[in-house]
Amino acid sequence: GESVGLHLPTLSVQEGDNSIINCAYSNSASDYFIWYKQESGKGPQFIIDIRSNMDKRQGQRVTVLLNKTVKHLSLQIAATQPGDSAVYFCAESSPFGNEKLTFGTGTRLTIIP
Amino acid sequence: EAGVVQSPRYKIIEKKQPVAFWCNPISGHNTLYWYLQNLGQGPELLIRYENEEAVDDSQLPKDRFSAERLKGVDSTLKIQPAELGDSAVYLCASSLHSGGPNEQFFGPGTRLTVL
Repeated sequence: GESVGLHLPTLSVQEGDNSIINCAYSNSASDYFIWYKQESGKGPQFIIDIRSNMDKRQGQRVTVLLNKTVKHLSLQIAATQPGDSAVYFCAESSPFGNEKLTFGTGTRLTIIP
Repeated sequence: EAGVVQSPRYKIIEKKQPVAFWCNPISGHNTLYWYLQNLGQGPELLIRYENEEAVDDSQLPKDRFSAERLKGVDSTLKIQPAELGDSAVYLCASSLHSGGPNEQFFGPGTRLTVL
């Protein structure tokens, strides 16, 4: 049968522009959230994390926003570069730490030169 | 510092054959995870080890899958016999500990194709 996973959400952004990737999480009890970047042929790579007691956290060129009311997470990447092209996953963790990460559906980001 | 090492990187077998994957976590990392990643989807946890103890194997299909981490360092994941639906990438990850949020470092994965 058809694999839902083959229809990965995609986002194309012009190099230098900002990008926003969205994620809806499922467990209202989750208290720790992580964004991972996965390039072709590689394992997921940690980008940034946020605890549920925060609404926003910034890193280098990346910002994560958390809206617990609607269980929504977003990743903003500023001044995108070709190396940002990858699949991005959000993950949520059980209340007592990151023992078990539940990954969301990834988004494929393509940076157009 | 070396990252998580996995081997082989690719494996092609016929259905009903056995297969094994090996993982060497980052030195000093007590917690080791095996994940399954289907094409276009996020990783799904199969098993988590704290040192040599499997503390969460609830998602491991125990009729055909087994894992071990005998000395609390390297780990192997085995499938016997493999089925067509087992074709996927098998990822190993490690972290310093699991008591509280801390980063999981992933290896490159083993891509399994079952024919």
